[in-house]
Formats: sequence, C-alpha cells, structure tokens
Amino acid sequence: TQLLEQSPQFLSIQEGENLTVYCNSSSVFSSLQWYRQEPGEGPVLLVTVVTGGEVKKLKRLTFQFGDARKDSSLHITAAQPGDTGLYLCAGADAGGTSYGKLTFGQGTILTVHP
Amino acid sequence: GAVVSQHPSRVICKSGTSVKIECRSLDFQATTMFWYRQFPKKSLMLMATSNEGSKATYEQGVEKDKFLINHASLTLSTLTVTSAHPEDSSFYICSARPRTSGDYNEQFFGPGTRLTVL
Repeated sequence: TQLLEQSPQFLSIQEGENLTVYCNSSSVFSSLQWYRQEPGEGPVLLVTVVTGGEVKKLKRLTFQFGDARKDSSLHITAAQPGDTGLYLCAGADAGGTSYGKLTFGQGTILTVHP
Repeated sequence: GAVVSQHPSRVICKSGTSVKIECRSLDFQATTMFWYRQFPKKSLMLMATSNEGSKATYEQGVEKDKFLINHASLTLSTLTVTSAHPEDSSFYICSARPRTSGDYNEQFFGPGTRLTVL
C-alpha cells in the first residue's frame, strides 16, 4: 500500500505571503498530480509532473517533482484570497494491478486573509 | 476539454431507499472511472475502480452489495447506493481516466453529489 504524506494540513496566511506545501512518500510514482478543490465542488487538476526533477510553473504556482519521483512540492508566491481552498497531491501507481489508481495526500486547507 | 459531469448534484432520500448517481465523461472516452467518498475538510477516499465492460474492483472495507457500480460504456458509470442509511450521507465524487492518458495517469473529476439520507 502506497502512502503520501502531505503537510501542513492547515495553513492560514495573510495576502502577499509565500507558502509551500509538501508531499512525501517512500514509494515511487509514475506521475504526480496537484488538485485544488473548493467547498461543494470536485477537485480541479492544476498540474501533472512525470519526470524526476521536473519543475512546472503556473502563474504564481511552482510545482516540483523530486528526483526519485517520491516527493513533490507546491510553492505559491504572493498568495491571494482567491487561492483559498483545499489542495491535494495525488500520486499515480507505477504499475501492476493498481495501474491508474491515485494515492491521495491528506490535503492542505489553505486560507488566505485579505 | 476533459469535462466530467455528475448527476444529481444533490439528493435527499429516506432511509431504506436506493439512490443512483451518474458519472459521464462529456468530451473523451474513459476506460476507467473511479468513485470516491469525501468527508468534510478531508481528502478523497477511493471506494472502487470501474472498468468498462467488467466488474468493479472495490477497496477494502467497501461493501460491493451496498454500493453497486456499473460501467456500461466508455462515457458512463453509475453508482447505486442501496438501502441507504443516514451514515451513508456524504459527498460522492467520480473521476474518469482518459483512454489516451498514458503515463500521465491523470484523472478528471466530476463536481460531486451531496447525498443526505434522512
């Protein structure tokens, strides 16, 4: 069974501050996705990283996949109230009977105060 | 692209009745769909994996006779909660994995269904 440890679980910051969310595992993933979810809605895919060491940027969001494809981070620069939400990392199983299944982290509830 | 719909978005039912939730991939074909359950302010809990034309694979602790899953086509999967009880009240979310996903293994999620059992 693969586990994905996501931290912190709660983050409350002021507008303009920077933050980083981490996801760590002892397992190797074929890919890792980051999602953002608002209350009462489904998760929305932000990015997928596939290659070890890969860095992707989406405006003020920077995503990094660890060299060994076991961990990932999400960094937000100059957070805004609109960034508020539940952030989820999810790793895709590398193969076998669990192919295609995602292992989700515990989630990070981010609140950005104006 | 990659839009997934879910119907209904909200349902209230009486204890003992059955409720069917539909999940459709609108602009792509999905060989695999997944059903999740989510509690307030918590992460997603995988209930089952649904493959088109075959039986669903249930996660440990999920009763297959209570949560019936049918994946009739490459764009439609249904979850039926049978003999619903108040403890089944939850937010149910489906996702679909495109046929062309390859190594990316991306899943696209529906908007969820809020089930309330009285």
